[in-house]
Amino acid sequence: DGGITQSPKYLFRKEGQNVTLSCEQNLNHDAMYWYRQDPGQGLRLIYYSQIVNDFQKGDIAEGYSVSREKKESFPLTVTSAQKNPTAFYLCASSPRRGQDTQYFGPGTRLTVL
Amino acid sequence: AQSVTQLDSHVSVSEGTPVLLRCNYSSSYSPSLFWYVQHPNKGLQLLLKYTSAATLVKGINGFEAEFKKSETSFHLTKPSAHMSDAAEYFCVVSRAAGNKLTFGGGTRVLVKP
Repeated sequence: DGGITQSPKYLFRKEGQNVTLSCEQNLNHDAMYWYRQDPGQGLRLIYYSQIVNDFQKGDIAEGYSVSREKKESFPLTVTSAQKNPTAFYLCASSPRRGQDTQYFGPGTRLTVL
Repeated sequence: AQSVTQLDSHVSVSEGTPVLLRCNYSSSYSPSLFWYVQHPNKGLQLLLKYTSAATLVKGINGFEAEFKKSETSFHLTKPSAHMSDAAEYFCVVSRAAGNKLTFGGGTRVLVKP
C-alpha cells in the first residue's frame, strides 16, 4: 500500500524533554510538510521541505527542528523550547516542488504532562 | 496575502437532507482551492480541488463545490447527507510561494438520524 505513515499515534512527554515524531512516505513525493492542529482551529505550517537536504521554516517554527536526509523521511523534533507543545501533529507530502495537492498522514497526538 | 473564512463553525443536518458548507477566500492571484475532510483523530482526506479548469468541481462521496470568482466563494455541497459525513471540513487555499496552504478554521458537521 502506498501512503504516509506517522508514528507513534499517541505520545506523552514530560516537560523539558525533547521528542521526535516520525513521518515516512512511500509515494516517491519530493515535498513534505509538518503541521500543527489545535482544538477548534485549522492547521498551521511548522516546516516544509521541497527536496532532500533542504527545508524551510513555516509560520510557527520556533521550538521545532527537522531534518530531510532521505526522500521518504521527514522527522520532526519538538524541543523543550516549544512553550505549548500539546497538539495534534500532521505530516503531509506532495508529488513535486510547486505541485500543490498535499496528502496527509494519520497524525500523532502529543501530550505534555 | 491569502486568507480563508469558513462562515459556519458548526452545521447540523438531518440524514438525507442537503448539506451546504460556506467558504470565502481572498487571494492576490488565481489560487488553487481545496476541500478536505477530517474524521475524529484522523488525518485529512482530500475531497476535491479547483484549479481553474471548471468552476463546478466534483469530488468524492457525492460532494461538489462551485467556484465563484465574483463572490470569492467556494461553497461545498452534497444533495443528501449520510451519517458517515459527520466530520470536520476544511476549506484551503494555496499560496504562490513554496506550495504552502492556508486553512480555514473548519466547519464541524453533525448528521442527525
